[in-house]
Amino acid sequence: DAEITQSPRHKITETGRQVTLACHQTWNHNNMFWYRQDLGHGLRLIHYSYGVHDTNKGEVSDGYSVSRSNTEDLPLTLESAASSQTSVYFCASTASVGNEQFFGPGTRLTVL
Amino acid sequence: DAKTTQPPSMDCAEGRAANLPCNHSTISGNEYVYWYRQIHSQGPQYIIHGLKNNETNEMASLIITEDRKSSTLILPHATLRDTAVYYCIVRVMNRDDKIIFGKGTRLHILP
Repeated sequence: DAEITQSPRHKITETGRQVTLACHQTWNHNNMFWYRQDLGHGLRLIHYSYGVHDTNKGEVSDGYSVSRSNTEDLPLTLESAASSQTSVYFCASTASVGNEQFFGPGTRLTVL
Repeated sequence: DAKTTQPPSMDCAEGRAANLPCNHSTISGNEYVYWYRQIHSQGPQYIIHGLKNNETNEMASLIITEDRKSSTLILPHATLRDTAVYYCIVRVMNRDDKIIFGKGTRLHILP
């Protein structure tokens, strides 16, 4: 069955390190999204992409970057991890505009 | 996109219908109402969406008022597995596909 996966599911890193979170979907969806979720803030959009080589900033993009070299993957990179980036990160995808978003299981990131 | 207002939490007895309200008084004509839910520690899950007509699927029903300024998500026979945070979202159907989540309603199903 088609699915969306995230790896790793849990990650502990140190302040200042570069971290990359993987997101992979097998639906061949054009649109992919990264959110972070913190207590008291709900889900906040970080970056999104509408296709290969397309990337856009969301509401909390500072300190994060994404690249889209193929349809299936949208890796999220923290260039220099900060303690404020400790959070749960969710990836999502949709086939086209307006369709339901399918979410991955999440990655819990702790920055010490 | 229009903003939505939801109660922060609600309780419902198991087996009863859970009715979750959402106000979206500034909704415009081309904006749809979407509902998602998030069960603890999982990614959000799509439930249903609609424009102006009432909608029903295997999970829930969506009732939108005639003036479209509010809506209600109905889970007809709530079970303990329906305990989750429910998000009401209003979106324009164009190229801008991102979802802006609010804080949602935390629904507790009581045994």
